[in-house]
Amino acid sequence: GENVEQHPSTLSVQEGDSAVIKCTYSDSASNYFPWYKQELGKRPQLIIDIRSNVGEKKDQRIAVTLNKTAKHFSLHITETQPEDSAVYFCAAPRYSSASKIIFGSGTRLSIRP
Amino acid sequence: DTEVTQTPKHLVMGMTNKKSLKCEQHMGHRAMYWYKQKAKKPPELMFVYSYEKLSINESVPSRFSPECPNSSLLNLHLHALQPEDSALYLCASSQPDRGIYNEQFFGPGTRLTVL
Repeated sequence: GENVEQHPSTLSVQEGDSAVIKCTYSDSASNYFPWYKQELGKRPQLIIDIRSNVGEKKDQRIAVTLNKTAKHFSLHITETQPEDSAVYFCAAPRYSSASKIIFGSGTRLSIRP
Repeated sequence: DTEVTQTPKHLVMGMTNKKSLKCEQHMGHRAMYWYKQKAKKPPELMFVYSYEKLSINESVPSRFSPECPNSSLLNLHLHALQPEDSALYLCASSQPDRGIYNEQFFGPGTRLTVL
C-alpha cells in the first residue's frame, strides 16, 4: 500500500554528536517531503522541508537529503543539543486516491548530556 | 498572525454528551484539517476542508461531525463518543496550491478524554 516508513523508532545520541533519521515512501508521484518536530505536550512544528526538484536542503544544524530514485529521504541534525530532544515525524503526500500527507511512525530522539 | 488556535485545551466528556471543538486561523489559508493523535503515534487525518468544502473524509465514524462556517473557522462536533476516542485532536491549516503542497500549521490541540 501507499505509506511512509520511518527508522529508527528511538534514537539516543551524545550531546554534540549527529543524528540521522531515515524515511522511505512508496508513491512515486510524491514531490514534497516535510519534517515535523513534536515536543512533549506540544503541537507538531515544521522544521525543514524539501521539494523533489532538489537533492539537499540545509538550515543551520538541520539538513534534509532526498533520493528520488530510491524513494528515500533523511533528516540530519548536527551538533545536537538538549533542546533537540523530541519526536520527529517525516511525511509525504499521497496522490493515488486523494491528496493528503502521510506521516511516518515517528522517531523519539533523546540527547544524552 | 501566524498561529492556529484551538479551544478548549482540555475536554472531559461522558459518552452521552454533545460537545464541540473549535479551531481558528487568520493566515488566509483556504485548507483546514482535523487530525487525531493517540499517544506515541503520528497524527492521523480525519477530515480536510478546501475552500470551505469538505474534500476528504477518512471514513471517520458519524459521531464526529465537522463544520467549516467560514474560511477562518473549523469546528468538530462530538456526540456519543466512545472511550477509545480519547486522544489529542489537532487542527491544521495550509494554503492550497494546485499540485503543490505547502506547510501545514498546527494548532496546540484539544486533549479529549471520554469517560
